[in-house]
Amino acid sequence: EPEVTQTPSHQVTQMGQEVILRCVPISNHLYFYWYRQILGQKVEFLVSFYNNEISEKSEIFDDQFSVERPDGSNFTLKIRSTKLEDSAMYFCASSNRRGNQPQHFGDGTRLSIL
Amino acid sequence: GESVGLHLPTLSVQEGDNSIINCAYSNSASDYFIWYKQESGKGPQFIIDIRSNMDKRQGQRVTVLLNKTVKHLSLQIAATQPGDSAVYFCAENKSQAGTALIFGKGTTLSVSS
Repeated sequence: EPEVTQTPSHQVTQMGQEVILRCVPISNHLYFYWYRQILGQKVEFLVSFYNNEISEKSEIFDDQFSVERPDGSNFTLKIRSTKLEDSAMYFCASSNRRGNQPQHFGDGTRLSIL
Repeated sequence: GESVGLHLPTLSVQEGDNSIINCAYSNSASDYFIWYKQESGKGPQFIIDIRSNMDKRQGQRVTVLLNKTVKHLSLQIAATQPGDSAVYFCAENKSQAGTALIFGKGTTLSVSS
């Protein structure tokens, strides 16, 4: 069964450094998402991406965050200057249609900011 | 604010029992609901979904019930197995507003054999 893959599984970064989290969505999917989950808390929406542009973003997704689809398979989340509170699990998801469709998640990248 | 939540943070059952996990949502405009299972160290795994024009949907060993009158969603797992032990999240979407899934806090299901 096709799946969303994310790398790395764990990223440790010094505060203030830039970090790029990578995702390979399911190949025939057109909609891509990033979510985060702070330890012990619920999953929170960050951003959705379609047709090479952001279609929706939450208040969490401020100017420090950016997303990109640099080629036909990868989807990246960049945090420009990390803060301690950015420590969380970051999940990538994809779906093949916009609405009323399940979003399929990867196993996440654990981001630890020191 | 509007959010999706769950009634109980934990649920413990014996192997073979039926499990019922509940979720209350507050946004009456939501028209799509989905249940995810999250095992330790893994991402949310899709279990079953339901649209607001339905009140029941069945899958393999799982049933989702939607009661729009009281804004309640439940997941029923038949003949619960140790492999069902995980955190279960409900999530909602208001499709006309966008694609964001709004997750509840999760219920930890523990199955003992």
